This record gives sequence, structure tokens and C-alpha cells, in this order.
Amino acid sequence: KNQVEQSPQSLIILEGKNCTLQCNYTVSPFSNLRWYKQDTGRGPVSLTIMTFSENTKSNGRYTATLDADTKQSSLHITASQLSDSASYICVVRVNAGNNRKLIWGLGTSLAVNP
Amino acid sequence: DVKVTQSSRYLVKRTGEKVFLECVQDMDHENMFWYRQDPGLGLRLIYFSYDVKMKEKGDIPEGYSVSREKKERFSLILESASTNQTSMYLCASSLTDTLNTEAFFGQGTRLTVV
Repeated sequence: KNQVEQSPQSLIILEGKNCTLQCNYTVSPFSNLRWYKQDTGRGPVSLTIMTFSENTKSNGRYTATLDADTKQSSLHITASQLSDSASYICVVRVNAGNNRKLIWGLGTSLAVNP
Repeated sequence: DVKVTQSSRYLVKRTGEKVFLECVQDMDHENMFWYRQDPGLGLRLIYFSYDVKMKEKGDIPEGYSVSREKKERFSLILESASTNQTSMYLCASSLTDTLNTEAFFGQGTRLTVV
């Protein structure tokens, strides 16, 4: 069964600290993995996409990694800011002929406190 | 910038009412999607459309219908609203259905059915 699991479910950190969010997936065949940031009461916004051949990709203070062998991805946030408080959602794309589908994780809720 | 606009941020409707949720995108995207998002369940695809007047069922189409008469507009219809349809509804659009294409989301409509 195609699944995407994220951990932790929620996280509280102090402003300026770093954190790492995890995404494990059992999806086949894997096409790509995308991280979204969703502010409270808003729609998700894409942070980065990881394809099979990519190991690391950065977008400002956000760095995503992908290990296709262990089917794990992480999102590392450096020097956190109050505006990083949001839900971070991992989504994996399945692509096999006519089966083109997105498998969504439940997200990690991050609170950055001053 | 891509803009996906949902007609309402908040809606309160009565059980049995017919409800229309409207979504407009301004970037000539081919694909449009309707999701609902519930705590503990994540984003679930209700319907999507890859062309005008074309629609396909997602994972949870029961109780919903859609309409796409123009490329830029995708409407979600709750034929007879029920309390279990209380949820956050998110519209999204993407340029094509190629593998790495990004979905852009609207701000969401929080629907309460009483």
C-alpha cells in the first residue's frame, strides 16, 4: 500500500534553532517527492521537489534530502524564524502508466517560539 | 505569480443545502483539483479536471460533483450538504500533468455545515 509517514507529528523550537523533519514513504513506483509549507488558514506552498537522482537541494534556509534506497526524506530548517511556524507536508508522486497519483503525508506542525 | 482564488474564505451552510465552491486561476493552467483537508486525514483528492468539460473522480467523490465550463474556473458542488462535509476545501491548479509540475493552491474555504 502506498503510504507517506511524517515525523514528528508536532514540534516546538526556539527562534534561531535548527530542526529536521522526517518523511518516510512506501510508494512504488516513485516519481518525485515534494515538500510543502502550509501556514495556518492558508493553502500549501511548494518549498522544493526531489527527484530520484537528487540527494540534497536547498532553498534558502530550507534543505531537503532524499535517500531513495531507504525511502526517506528530510527537511532541515536552519536558524529558524517565527515565520517558519507552519505545517510542513511531504507528498510523493506515483507514476505508472495511467496511475499518476499524489500520496500526501499528514504533515508536521512546527511552532517557533521567541 | 500564479494566482488561484477561491470565492469564499468561510462559509456556513445548512444541512441539505446545495453548495457551490468556486475557484479561478489566472495562469492558463490545464489541470485543476479540489481537495478537502481534515485533521488526522491530510489532503484527500475529491475531483480533478485536465481540460475544459473533462473531469475525473479522485479518492472521495461521493456527495460531490464538479463543473469546468471554462479553462480558468473549476467549481465544486455539494449536492445536499451534510455535517460530515464540514471541512477545509482547497483548490489547486497545475500547468500540465508532467512529472515535476507544481500544484498551486488557493487560500482555502472553510465550510461549516450545521
